Amino acid sequence: SQQGEEDPQALSIQEGENATMNCSYKTSINNLQWYRQNSGRGLVHLILIRSNEREKHSGRLRVTLDTSKKSSSLLITASRAADTASYFCATYSGYALNFGKGTSLLVTP
Amino acid sequence: GAGVSQSPSNKVTEKGKDVELRCDPISGHTALYWYRQSLGQGLEFLIYFQGNSAPDKSGLPSDRFSAERTGGSVSTLTIQRTQQEDSAVYLCASSRAGTLDNEQFFGPGTRLTVL
Repeated sequence: SQQGEEDPQALSIQEGENATMNCSYKTSINNLQWYRQNSGRGLVHLILIRSNEREKHSGRLRVTLDTSKKSSSLLITASRAADTASYFCATYSGYALNFGKGTSLLVTP
Repeated sequence: GAGVSQSPSNKVTEKGKDVELRCDPISGHTALYWYRQSLGQGLEFLIYFQGNSAPDKSGLPSDRFSAERTGGSVSTLTIQRTQQEDSAVYLCASSRAGTLDNEQFFGPGTRLTVL
């Protein structure tokens, strides 16, 4: 079953613009993770935010977490064509990561 | 190794045949996971290994699916009597330990096509 749901399903922006993706989840969590997937193959871990954290930064990435609303957002600043990929949020359910259906981001030069 | 590796990268098989998919986790990672990604279902968890044992195999879709892990390292996922609905990308991941605050490192996946 899918725990996280990303919004929007697809996003198209130009290089240099910021991209914001949102994720909602259903049950209580210890942490929430964001992953990127290029061309439908392996996923790359981007960032993990714990339930007692509200905001976290990594390079051009900024993640927020609102446990009261059961939601998270991923902001990519100054986007590049190389950021074109699908982005997934994931939370643990038992030992398994449950992924949302992802946001497909297209960054055009 | 430097990352999780999987083989083959692509596999085309005929309906009814058995297939074996292989995963080499990152050296020293005790936890290993198999996931499946298909168009209609998104990313689905299949099975989790801690060392050589599988405390959670709840995601295996049918008894045609099995997996093993030997030496706390390499894992194989076997699908018997393949069906067309088994077509998907099979992803393997590993992590340092099977705790709930570890990131999982994913391999490139095996794309399985059942004709």
